[in-house]
Amino acid sequence: DADVTQTPRNRITKTGKRIMLECSQTKGHDRMYWYRQDPGLGLRLIYYSFDVKDINKGEISDGYSVSRQAQAKFSLSLESAIPNQTALYFCATSPGQAYTYEQYFGPGTRLTVT
Amino acid sequence: GESVGLHLPTLSVQEGDNSIINCAYSNSASDYFIWYKQESGKGPQFIIDIRSNMDKRQGQRVTVLLNKTVKHLSLQIAATQPGDSAVYFCAENNDSYDKVIFGPGTSLSVIP
Repeated sequence: DADVTQTPRNRITKTGKRIMLECSQTKGHDRMYWYRQDPGLGLRLIYYSFDVKDINKGEISDGYSVSRQAQAKFSLSLESAIPNQTALYFCATSPGQAYTYEQYFGPGTRLTVT
Repeated sequence: GESVGLHLPTLSVQEGDNSIINCAYSNSASDYFIWYKQESGKGPQFIIDIRSNMDKRQGQRVTVLLNKTVKHLSLQIAATQPGDSAVYFCAENNDSYDKVIFGPGTSLSVIP
C-alpha cells in the first residue's frame, strides 16, 4: 500500500465551485505539505503543517485553505475554484528531524477548473 | 532573489551513456540540496541529497556534485537506462524550516 495517498486522483469542476483534495499518510510523519505543479514552474508550496496545531502559508496560499484533521490527514480546499487553479496538486510528508528534509510525495491530483 | 533553476529544460541521452543534469542556485545561505525524480503520472521521488559541507556524494549509479563557489549543483547518472527517463528536479533548503524551493525541472529522455 502507498505511504502517501491522495483523493481524488482526477477532478474536473466548474468555476465557483468548492473543492476539497484529501491527503492521508501512514508514514507517521508530523510534517505535511501541499504543492501545486505547473508546466515549467516546478513545484510551489501552498501550505504546510508541522503538527496538528501548526498551519503555515506557503508562497502561493491565496485562494486556498487547509485543514489538518489528524497527524495522518491534511486536506486542501479551494473555496471558489477559478480556471488558473487548474494544475497538478501534490501532498508530501517529511520526518520532523532537523537533519533531514527529504519529502515523500503522494501520486498527485490533477484538477481542471472549467 | 532566491531561486533554483536548471540550465536545460530537456536532455536526450543514448542508453548506456552517462547523463549530467545541471542546476544553479542563487542563495549562498542554502545548506541542503536534494535531487528528485518524477516519472510520468507519479509524484517526485527522492534520489540523493547533499549538505553544503560536502562537495560530492555518491549513490547507486548517481553522483551529486556541489560547487559552492559558483553555486552550481549537478546530478550524474552512470550507464543511463530507459527507466531513468523522467523529469529531474533540484531543490534547495534556505531557511531554518524544512521547506524546500524546487527548480523548474529537466526532462531526461533515454534513447534506446
